[in-house]
Amino acid sequence: NAGVTQTPKFRVLKTGQSMTLLCAQDMNHEYMYWYRQDPGMGLRLIHYSVGEGTTAKGEVPDGYNVSRLKKQNFLLGLESAAPSQTSVYFCASSYSRSLSTEAFFGQGTRLTVV
Amino acid sequence: AQSVSQHNHHVILSEAASLELGCNYSYGGTVNLFWYVQYPGQHLQLLLKYFSGDPLVKGIKGFEAEFIKSKFSFNLRKPSVQWSDTAEYFCAVNAPGSARQLTFGSGTQLTVLP
Repeated sequence: NAGVTQTPKFRVLKTGQSMTLLCAQDMNHEYMYWYRQDPGMGLRLIHYSVGEGTTAKGEVPDGYNVSRLKKQNFLLGLESAAPSQTSVYFCASSYSRSLSTEAFFGQGTRLTVV
Repeated sequence: AQSVSQHNHHVILSEAASLELGCNYSYGGTVNLFWYVQYPGQHLQLLLKYFSGDPLVKGIKGFEAEFIKSKFSFNLRKPSVQWSDTAEYFCAVNAPGSARQLTFGSGTQLTVLP
């Protein structure tokens, strides 16, 4: 049982390049999330999904797109990377509609845009 | 919308010292509260959570937290810290909404000196 797996773990992009971050979970969770973590700002929600085929914007969605074609996968895309998108990206998932449900996190992707 | 404040950005303690990290949230209704820990180079892990009942919650590794509704607080405590507790600690709140996403505080970096 791998939990939440993110690929890649590290990436360096040039400004203007595009890339896709993959998040995969094997816990049959309905809810999936993408966060970015920046020093002194904690984790901020980029986009989320409440089920296969659905996505919604979070707190900081600009410059990102997402897709949830399969229940177990949640993709985060950067169409034209900017230095402001240098960050650590975390994917998370949770299984229940209950408010007490904890979220399970991946190990993160450290992205540097130069 | 809910928000979470962690006023201590960096705390430095010697081993065996007692720890208290502050967390305040802003939301007037029913909330669920979480403390997550991120050890260096690792993903976020759940330390403990409160969703109902006894306001004193015990978590893993000797941590506990007290929910004080009148103060909108959920402070994390540990009687005697160890060098291995060096990590970043995040408080998070989960309030009613369609996606059950967590709102995180900015985090507190704890450094324990041997």
